[in-house]
Amino acid sequence: AQSVTQPDIHITVSEGASLELRCNYSYGATPYLFWYVQSPGQGLQLLLKYFSGDTLVQGIKGFEAEFKRSQSSFNLRKPSVHWSVAAEYFCAVGARGYSTLTFGKGTMLLVSP
Amino acid sequence: KAGVTQTPRYLIKTRGQQVTLSCSPISGHRSVSWYQQTPGQGLQFLFEYFSETQRNKGNFPGRFSGRQFSNSRSEMNVSTLELGDSALYLCASSSGVADGSLANTGELFFGEGSRLTVL
Repeated sequence: AQSVTQPDIHITVSEGASLELRCNYSYGATPYLFWYVQSPGQGLQLLLKYFSGDTLVQGIKGFEAEFKRSQSSFNLRKPSVHWSVAAEYFCAVGARGYSTLTFGKGTMLLVSP
Repeated sequence: KAGVTQTPRYLIKTRGQQVTLSCSPISGHRSVSWYQQTPGQGLQFLFEYFSETQRNKGNFPGRFSGRQFSNSRSEMNVSTLELGDSALYLCASSSGVADGSLANTGELFFGEGSRLTVL
């Protein structure tokens, strides 16, 4: 069975500082990996995805993530945060060729002035 | 292209009642998935429909059911509501190809959800 761990429930970052949100997955083969963002009262928006190839993937809003097979990780990064990115972030894993995703419990990002 | 539309956005029910939620996927998408989101359990997969057939199912009791129509619109129903069913119910659509096909990217597009409160 696949699973996702997001070790940080809350993270507070100062505006303008860099950001890294951690994600570790458990899956027997090479997975599909995703990061989604959810603003209050909204659905989930896809930030970026990894299917294969280059392990550093770029997404929307200046986010990037790196797939590290040896560490079973897919951490999300952003070099400089703006208050507008405060939201909840979810990492998800899926099996190649299937539409069902397993989500982590999420990391709430707070941005301080 | 219009996104995923869920109705109603908010609803309040009492224990023992039943509820039906509706989801219209992105035009051309054939797969619709439902997820339950609660503060304690996070996002949990309910079921997925593809071409009017339930293709995958999560670990929820039989009180939770769904269906998909020929136009790909989907409904989910919860009968005999319990307090613990209070949640945000999210619908997601994907382009939809056969399970196991590498053309199936697993990329989901979510609606804004239906917030159910059970009193």
